[in-house]
Amino acid sequence: NAGVTQTPKFQVLKTGQSMTLQCAQDMNHNSMYWYRQDPGMGLRLIYYSASEGTTDKGEVPNGYNVSRLNKREFSLRLESAAPSQTSVYFCASSGIGQGSSYEQYFGPGTRLTVT
Amino acid sequence: AQSVTQPDIHITVSEGASLELRCNYSYGATPYLFWYVQSPGQGLQLLLKYFSGDTLVQGIKGFEAEFKRSQSSFNLRKPSVHWSDAAEYFCAVGGNRDDKIIFGKGTRLHILP
Repeated sequence: NAGVTQTPKFQVLKTGQSMTLQCAQDMNHNSMYWYRQDPGMGLRLIYYSASEGTTDKGEVPNGYNVSRLNKREFSLRLESAAPSQTSVYFCASSGIGQGSSYEQYFGPGTRLTVT
Repeated sequence: AQSVTQPDIHITVSEGASLELRCNYSYGATPYLFWYVQSPGQGLQLLLKYFSGDTLVQGIKGFEAEFKRSQSSFNLRKPSVHWSDAAEYFCAVGGNRDDKIIFGKGTRLHILP
């Protein structure tokens, strides 16, 4: 099992450009999450999806959109990138609601720089 | 409000010394508690978790943590650290009716040779 995979690993954008970060999990988990990590700020939840077809805002959703394409895939889109979105982005999944483990499993991250 | 506090931003210990990383939480219901570790340039890996039962939980890499409800704490310990333990450690809290968990801001552990 690959677990949680993310693409790309690195990306540089110019202000105003758009891009989509891809995430996929092969653990048959219901819930998926997008976080951003900034120095001294820990992990902050951007959006999450408790099940296929549902998405909800987290702590810092402004400037982002998400799509839960199917049970495996959860993408994060930046429509018009801003320097404040320079960060490391992590996708995670968890099996809550399936009677399985509750913890979240993380992907390796995408390091995004907006100039 | 739900929150997690890790009071120490940085901690430095000598290789072979014991370690304790502090975590305090605020949560309105029965908490589920986690410790994650992040090595440089990597994602987060679960070290251990507490859901119920024995308040002393064992994790991977020789780590353990103790849940103390009266102190709202879930401190992480290791009797003897190794240079490879240098990383950032995150405490997190969730609940049995919530599909989100809240992370602390992290403690960066430095190991002196």
